[in-house]
Amino acid sequence: AQSVTQLGSHVSVSEGALVLLRCNYSSSVPPYLFWYVQYPNQGLQLLLKYTTGATLVKGINGFEAEFKKSETSFHLTKPSAHMSDAAEYFCAVEDSSYKLIFGSGTRLLVRP
Amino acid sequence: GAVVSQHPSWVICKSGTSVKIECRSLDFQATTMFWYRQFPKQSLMLMATSNEGSKATYEQGVEKDKFLINHASLTLSTLTVTSAHPEDSSFYICSARAGGTNEKLFFGSGTQLSVL
Repeated sequence: AQSVTQLGSHVSVSEGALVLLRCNYSSSVPPYLFWYVQYPNQGLQLLLKYTTGATLVKGINGFEAEFKKSETSFHLTKPSAHMSDAAEYFCAVEDSSYKLIFGSGTRLLVRP
Repeated sequence: GAVVSQHPSWVICKSGTSVKIECRSLDFQATTMFWYRQFPKQSLMLMATSNEGSKATYEQGVEKDKFLINHASLTLSTLTVTSAHPEDSSFYICSARAGGTNEKLFFGSGTQLSVL
């Protein structure tokens, strides 16, 4: 069965600093992986996704993630944090029934 | 990008009443819609999968008689919380999928339900 683990329920960075949000997955089949962002009292917005092909995936708002099969990881990064990046981030893996299994989420705090 | 409209964005109701939440895909036909529940500071928990013209498939532990789902058209799915209780208070989010893969999955903005 597929599962997702997000290490760190909260991550705090200074504005301009590197953002690194960790995601590890478990999947019995080649995984389809997703990162979503959620702002307060809103739905989810897709940041980026990995299906096949290039393992470094670029998304919106300057975010990118690298699929590392050997490490079963799909960490999300951004070189320079902006105040507007403060939000909840969810990693997800698609299961064999094409449903999304979400991680527990990581709240990103950006300090001025 | 594609838009999924969820209405209402928030609702307050009395215990024992029923509340209906609508999820519409505005510019595409959604063969499948999903309903999630999210408690404060927690992840999304899938409640049910809704396919147009057929009965919804509920996840384990979700009461189908309490959470009625109707997907009458390719652009509209509704979730009705029947005989609401305070423990049903939560953030409910829908998503709609165009086609068979999650590459084209779009989320509504959510509905905050508060049951008094």
